[in-house]
Amino acid sequence: EIVLTQSPATLSLSPGERATLSCRASQSISSYLAWYQQKPGQAPRLLIYDASNRATGIPARFSGSGSGTDFTLTISSLEPEDFAVYYCQQRSIWPPLTFGGGTLVEIK
Amino acid sequence: ELQLLESGGGLVQPGGSLRLSCAASGFTFSNYGMSWVRQAPGKGLEWVSAIGGNGDSTYYADSVKGRFIISRDNSKNTLYLQMNSLRAEDTALYHCAKVQEDSSWNMWFDCWGQGTLVTVSS
Repeated sequence: EIVLTQSPATLSLSPGERATLSCRASQSISSYLAWYQQKPGQAPRLLIYDASNRATGIPARFSGSGSGTDFTLTISSLEPEDFAVYYCQQRSIWPPLTFGGGTLVEIK
Repeated sequence: ELQLLESGGGLVQPGGSLRLSCAASGFTFSNYGMSWVRQAPGKGLEWVSAIGGNGDSTYYADSVKGRFIISRDNSKNTLYLQMNSLRAEDTALYHCAKVQEDSSWNMWFDCWGQGTLVTVSS
């Protein structure tokens, strides 16, 4: 099973700042990684797939990079609606599909 | 508008059974693989099971294999999860989720339901 480790667990930032979230895989997963955003009481929303492709309707301030075992989600300038929990997910080797433990981006 | 609406959750005793449903609308249901993903209270996401568009292929997490059965009725645009031999650790919000690409196992989920809560407790 591929284990995804997200860091940091919590990121405290102010609106307008840049957010950098990390996801590390226990073995190479090529570019088979996605990022989701989840706000309290809501379902997850797909942001990025195949490591760097924005999903439909996702603003350009969200970008993804990486391949192999190390991946990054960058939010270039945080908007108030971006404060949420972010999860990474891999589909390289499944079952099982696996998710990271999440990063909470909170208002500083 | 794409929509997934889960139902069937509730309180059940350990060892009991429940059947969850997920009603889909806004897309050609039979063309898309579907999954169930659960989230224990205050915890992260855990993939549970997947099924292909025609229902012939199914996959399970080890934690539920042999106890849960995923199925679908394409004539009713509905996904199901039959949950047997339930345990306390199955307590979670269960989301159904749609695969992004039709006729594909690309396994990125571009539409999720709000979830139905399953509580396993005596």
